[in-house]
Amino acid sequence: KAGVTQTPRYLIKTRGQQVTLSCSPISGHRSVSWYQQTPGQGLQFLFEYFSETQRNKGNFPGRFSGRQFSNSRSEMNVSTLELGDSALYLCASSLEATGVDTQYFGPGTRLTVL
Amino acid sequence: GESVGLHLPTLSVQEGDNSIINCAYSNSASDYFIWYKQESGKGPQFIIDIRSNMDKRQGQRVTVLLNKTVKHLSLQIAATQPGDSAVYFCAVSSGGSYIPTFGRGTSLIVHP
Repeated sequence: KAGVTQTPRYLIKTRGQQVTLSCSPISGHRSVSWYQQTPGQGLQFLFEYFSETQRNKGNFPGRFSGRQFSNSRSEMNVSTLELGDSALYLCASSLEATGVDTQYFGPGTRLTVL
Repeated sequence: GESVGLHLPTLSVQEGDNSIINCAYSNSASDYFIWYKQESGKGPQFIIDIRSNMDKRQGQRVTVLLNKTVKHLSLQIAATQPGDSAVYFCAVSSGGSYIPTFGRGTSLIVHP
C-alpha cells in the first residue's frame, strides 16, 4: 500500500505570495491532518479534515486554510506569506481519527519564504 | 490542555548499547501514546504505540513502557545501530481528542 504523498517536496516563495500544498493520504484513510514543523516550535497542529469537513483547528491565523476532497486528498493554502512561514509542512493520514488512531506521515513539503 | 516534554534533547550512545528515551505528559486522561522516528529530510515514521490499559509493549528491538502514576513513558531501543540515529518524538492523545500533542523530540546519535 502506498504511503502518504505530498507535493511539491520543495517550494521557494517570496513574502506576500500565496502557496498551495497537496497531500494524498494512504488509500482508505479518511482523516488528514496538517502540521507545521520548525526548529523553534517543533511539530504544531494546523487542522484536521474528515469526510471533507474540518473537524479540528489549531492556533494559526486565518491565512492558513485547507480543504479536503471527496477522494480524501487534501490541500492547504497559505496566503500573504511571511518569513516566519518558512517550515516543513507535514501531512498525516489515519483511518478514522477516532482519537486513538495512528497517524502516518508524508515526507513533507519544505517551504522557504524569502 | 496537554503538554508533552522530553527529558533530554540529545542522547549519544555507542553502537550496540541499549538506548532509553523518555517522555513526560501532563494530562492524566491521556490514553494513547505513540513513538515516532524522524530521520533527516523525512517525515515522522511510526515506531510503536501503547494504550493506557497496558504498561509495556514490545516490538522488534523496541519496547515502550508506560507509567501512568507519574505520567511518564519511555522508549527502549536494544542493541542500538547507526541506522537508529534520528530524532524521536512521543505523541500523546486522550479520548475525544483527535489530535495528538507532540513532544519536542530527542536526537539520538549512535557512534560506531
